[in-house]
Amino acid sequence: DIQMTQSPSSLSASVGDRVTITCRASQGIRDDLTWYQQKPGRAPKRLISPASTLQSGVPSRFSGSGSGTDFTLTISSLQPEDFATYYCLQYNTHPFTFGQGTKLEIK
Amino acid sequence: QVQVVESGGGVVQPGRSLRLSCAVSGFILSDYRMFWVRQAPGKGLEWVAVTSSDGTQEYYADSLKGRFAVSRDNSKNTIYLHMNSVRPEDTALYYCVNGDRDYWGQGTLVTVSS
Repeated sequence: DIQMTQSPSSLSASVGDRVTITCRASQGIRDDLTWYQQKPGRAPKRLISPASTLQSGVPSRFSGSGSGTDFTLTISSLQPEDFATYYCLQYNTHPFTFGQGTKLEIK
Repeated sequence: QVQVVESGGGVVQPGRSLRLSCAVSGFILSDYRMFWVRQAPGKGLEWVAVTSSDGTQEYYADSLKGRFAVSRDNSKNTIYLHMNSVRPEDTALYYCVNGDRDYWGQGTLVTVSS
């Protein structure tokens, strides 16, 4: 299986901050990576897929980059509604695998 | 509008079997592969399985070790997750997902407990 190592596992930040979350794949996955946002009690929502393509309707403060094994999700200026948990998912090789998640909390 | 509705969850004893269903509407099921994803209480997302659009190919998380099987009936707009020899660690909210279109259900909770 391809292991996805996501960091940090949690992050405290303030409104207006720039934050970066990383995912590292245990082997190359090209750009076959999706970033999801999940809020408590809700199903996840796709933000970016493949690695740098913003989904329709997602604010432009979100961006993704990377290819191969190293990927980043950046939020350029945190808004109150961005406090949530974020996951990466590799879909290059079965079985697909999620990162462990990053909980973004208000400082 | 699109609907993805899981059902079949509940409390089940260890070692028993359970079948989850996922009924969809608002899109043509036979056009899409479909996933199951689970989330244990307070934990992260775990990818469980995928069924190809025509049902001829399936892939599973290694951790399931052959205990789960996914099937689909496109004529009924429904996919299934057959869970066998369930264990306490299978306790989770199970989501049915159209990954290509990012359509998720609300999930169905499975609790494995004696």
